[in-house]
Amino acid sequence: EPEVTQTPSHQVTQMGQEVILRCVPISNHLYFYWYRQILGQKVEFLVSFYNNEISEKSEIFDDQFSVERPDGSNFTLKIRSTKLEDSAMYFCASSGQGGNYGYTFGSGTRLTVV
Amino acid sequence: TQLLEQSPQFLSIQEGENLTVYCNSSSVFSSLQWYRQEPGEGPVLLVTVVTGGEVKKLKRLTFQFGDARKDSSLHITAAQPGDTGLYLCAGDSSNTGKLIFGQGTTLQVKP
Repeated sequence: EPEVTQTPSHQVTQMGQEVILRCVPISNHLYFYWYRQILGQKVEFLVSFYNNEISEKSEIFDDQFSVERPDGSNFTLKIRSTKLEDSAMYFCASSGQGGNYGYTFGSGTRLTVV
Repeated sequence: TQLLEQSPQFLSIQEGENLTVYCNSSSVFSSLQWYRQEPGEGPVLLVTVVTGGEVKKLKRLTFQFGDARKDSSLHITAAQPGDTGLYLCAGDSSNTGKLIFGQGTTLQVKP
């Protein structure tokens, strides 16, 4: 069964450093998303991406965050200057036809900012 | 702010019992999805419901979307230990992928 692949599975970084989280969505999917889950809290929407541009973003997704689809397969989330409160599981998801058809989530990257 | 409230948050039952998990909101959603999440893994889609009043079955799991598309339920018949896990509901109000997740229901089925 097709999978969304995320790397790395775990990243530890110093506060103030830049991190790039990588995702390979399902190959024929057109819609891409990033979500995060702080330990013990709900899964939260960060951003949706379609046709090489951001469709919607949450208030969490401030100027420190950016997304990119640098080639035909990868989808990245960059955090420019990490803060302690950015520590969370970050999930990438993709969808073939948009919201009403469900999403396939990756296994996540656990980001720890120290 | 849109919210989805799940209840109960924790449920511990014996194998063979039936259970229902509820997902409620004051907002209307274009679709509502149910996921199961294992520790350290991403949510795995179980079902998407789109039409008000829709009922979908997945083996022993029955999902229902409320007539007004504001609430949903997940009913498990004859629960088994393999059903143990975290169940999440998530609503999409704008069909843009901005899912609003509930806080989850942790189900424990004891043999």
